[in-house]
Amino acid sequence: DQQVKQNSPSLSVQEGRISILNCDYTNSMFDYFLWYKKYPAEGPTFLISISSIKDKNEDGRFTVFLNKSAKHLSLHIVPSQPGDSAVYFCAASLSGSARQLTFGSGTQLTVLP
Amino acid sequence: DAGVIQSPRHEVTEMGQEVTLRCKPISGHNSLFWYRQTMMRGLELLIYFNNNVPIDDSGMPEDRFSAKMPNASFSTLKIQPSEPRDSAVYFCASQMLAHEQYFGPGTRLTVT
Repeated sequence: DQQVKQNSPSLSVQEGRISILNCDYTNSMFDYFLWYKKYPAEGPTFLISISSIKDKNEDGRFTVFLNKSAKHLSLHIVPSQPGDSAVYFCAASLSGSARQLTFGSGTQLTVLP
Repeated sequence: DAGVIQSPRHEVTEMGQEVTLRCKPISGHNSLFWYRQTMMRGLELLIYFNNNVPIDDSGMPEDRFSAKMPNASFSTLKIQPSEPRDSAVYFCASQMLAHEQYFGPGTRLTVT
């Protein structure tokens, strides 16, 4: 049973436009959510996170929105740049001294110049 | 800081051989995680340690897999004997308290 789902395996966006990546989860106990970016032949890199007590967190061009009632989160990238082309994973975790992450399957974002 | 260090970066071995993957976490981080990434199953957690103690190994696929963390700066993931279906990219990640995890570059394992 996939507790974290990314239903779009790929997304193409024109440079300068907004990229919106979506993620759904099923476990209402998750209280912390993260987005990671992964380039080929590299490990995932932490991008941005959000606690369940918030509904929005912004860091530069990246904003994560959380809708707890819908069990949905999204990552907005504005404006999109060719260097943003990568696989984006959302992850969710429960409270604890070590945050064990459950990852989605990833979305390949391609930003076209 | 050098980040999480994994070795080797690539490993090609024959079925039945023992494989040992190594990880050095970021200094000061108290949790360490081993993941496996495959096309079919995506990123899946194999095992994690907290203060060098294994906490949850429910993701370890079979008894052929074992992991150790003898001290705060070193961990190994061993597969014995290896099988072709073990071919994957194996990631190690470390974490300080309950903050985000930092991943190493991964080890690409090919078992022929």
